[in-house]
Amino acid sequence: ETGVTQTPRHLVMGMTNKKSLKCEQHLGHNAMYWYKQSAKKPLELMFVYSLEERVENNSVPSRFSPECPNSSHLFLHLHTLQPEDSALYLCASSQGTNGPQHFGDGTRLSIL
Amino acid sequence: EDQVTQSPEALRLQEGESSSLNCSYTVSGLRGLFWYRQDPGKGPEFLFTLYSAGEEKEKERLKATLTKKESFLHITAPKPEDSATYLCAVQDAGGGADGLTFGKGTHLIIQP
Repeated sequence: ETGVTQTPRHLVMGMTNKKSLKCEQHLGHNAMYWYKQSAKKPLELMFVYSLEERVENNSVPSRFSPECPNSSHLFLHLHTLQPEDSALYLCASSQGTNGPQHFGDGTRLSIL
Repeated sequence: EDQVTQSPEALRLQEGESSSLNCSYTVSGLRGLFWYRQDPGKGPEFLFTLYSAGEEKEKERLKATLTKKESFLHITAPKPEDSATYLCAVQDAGGGADGLTFGKGTHLIIQP
């Protein structure tokens, strides 16, 4: 495996379900990010982790809960989501927070 | 608040017809400006980082330039495989802002 891998690629869930998105990077980076990409809107930063510590939380609702157990793995735990949360969720990683960010192919999330 | 505006929203060119994409930005201080390419169903693919006005980067048929207010992505003699959405993003040098602020992108179509 190379680069940034996200699983699952597609997820359909009801508003009362609990699910988790997973991201794994094989680049030896020490910073990881979650972004949301909705139709007709720019990518929106959600969370930043540097050296496994959350350094930025961009006013994201508490129904999204990130977890970074080590520098290679990042999770986004989801619960009680709303229909407007349907989007493509992208994970990225970088070496330090100044370097270019490299993205995975995302998880397409649909909320019924 | 950081802002990134990309123009045009969409561009259709004939194969071999050169053109430029524009990215205008507003930041308190620029830490870096990034260009990405995004294909349908994929995550953004990193192309270039520019750090200071006057800097230029080239890769195959693409050349990125930077001024204090905008960046251009010049595409010379494009081929159909250059068709994609091109995204511009900035990183603010202000304290604690490690994520990227993205524009909405330019959807480029190269017709054979």
